Amino acid sequence: ETGVTQSPTHLIKTRGQQVTLRCSSQSGHNTVSWYQQALGQGPQFIFQYYREEENGRGNFPPRFSGLQFPNYSSELNVNALELDDSALYLCASSFPPGSSYNEQFFGPGTRLTVL
Amino acid sequence: RKEVEQDPGPFNVPEGATVAFNCTYSNSASQSFFWYRQDCRKEPKLLMSVYSSGNEDGRFTAQLNRASQYISLLIRDSKLSDSATYLCVVILNTGGFKTIFGAGTRLFVKA
Repeated sequence: ETGVTQSPTHLIKTRGQQVTLRCSSQSGHNTVSWYQQALGQGPQFIFQYYREEENGRGNFPPRFSGLQFPNYSSELNVNALELDDSALYLCASSFPPGSSYNEQFFGPGTRLTVL
Repeated sequence: RKEVEQDPGPFNVPEGATVAFNCTYSNSASQSFFWYRQDCRKEPKLLMSVYSSGNEDGRFTAQLNRASQYISLLIRDSKLSDSATYLCVVILNTGGFKTIFGAGTRLFVKA
């Protein structure tokens, strides 16, 4: 069984730039969720994709966007980067919400630093 | 008011102690509840799901009170390896799904 993988592991960008983070879901999972985790805080839900459609979104501005591909891998895109976007970005895969078994399996994260 | 609130911590306990974590949620559309564990510089991992009937897994017991919108986690006979951050997690269904994490409670178990 292949676990959740994310790339890159670390990234440094400057304000105003754009970034794309990638996530491969665990084998058998068709739902991917993205989170932002600042130091000392819990993960903050950005959005969730199920079958290539966004089916839930947290309180993040539109410059945070995503995609899910037919193989259920996913991308998180952030435009016009701000200093406060510096955080650990976590991806999690699961079976669809509402399933009887809905544990989320997290990847190791991408550490984004915005200078 | 935050959607999910936890004890701020940190909790410092000796090995063998019993420790309880509390969590409250504000949205009655909350439908699924979990405790996750996160070790330093690692990703969160599921500790246990939480059901209204209460559930136990070894030294860990989780309780849910829907009327009070309250979730708890009890750890008995604490081990050094229990040192971690414990995250209360709620899934909302308000026409779309949202997963809400609490800020986490840090636990230090000392010899």
